[in-house]
Amino acid sequence: KNQVEQSPQSLIILEGKNCTLQCNYTVSPFSNLRWYKQDTGRGPVSLTIMTFSENTKSNGRYTATLDADTKQSSLHITASQLSDSASYICVADAGNMLTFGGGTRLMVKP
Amino acid sequence: NAGVTQTPKFQVLKTGQSMTLQCAQDMNHNSMYWYRQDPGMGLRLIYYSASEGTTDKGEVPNGYNVSRLNKREFSLRLESAAPSQTSVYFCASSEARGGQGAYGYTFGSGTRLTVV
Repeated sequence: KNQVEQSPQSLIILEGKNCTLQCNYTVSPFSNLRWYKQDTGRGPVSLTIMTFSENTKSNGRYTATLDADTKQSSLHITASQLSDSASYICVADAGNMLTFGGGTRLMVKP
Repeated sequence: NAGVTQTPKFQVLKTGQSMTLQCAQDMNHNSMYWYRQDPGMGLRLIYYSASEGTTDKGEVPNGYNVSRLNKREFSLRLESAAPSQTSVYFCASSEARGGQGAYGYTFGSGTRLTVV
């Protein structure tokens, strides 16, 4: 069964600090790995998409990494801002059939 | 703004009542999807439509029906609502035509449904 597991489930950091969120996936066949940001009461919004041949991709202060051999991905947030408070969802794509992780809820405090 | 529009945003139903959730996209995408999101769980696929005129079951289709009315619109119907269908429902669209490819997905803002 396709699965995506994320850690930690929740995280509190101070504004300006960095953090890294983790994702392990078991998906077959594997096509690409996505990270989404979901604000409270809103739908998910895409941050990055990486194919199996890519091992890093950046979007502003967000940098995602992918190790297709160990089936692990991470999302690094640099110099956090209050607006980064949201859930971050890791998604493994098996040929346009998405398997979603449960998300990491990040709270950035002033 | 271009995107995916869902209506209604909130709904409370009594057990056994029926309702239809509406979804429309204006990006000329081929594929449309309905997901549900429950606390602590990842989004789960209910039904999808890879192209106008086709629909297929996803991971959790029981208790739901869908209609791909045209390329823009994809509706989800609950014929006899049950408390287990209390959830947040998201519609999404994609350029995907099936198979491999890193196509982007655009999600609506969701419908929060409570069945009492």
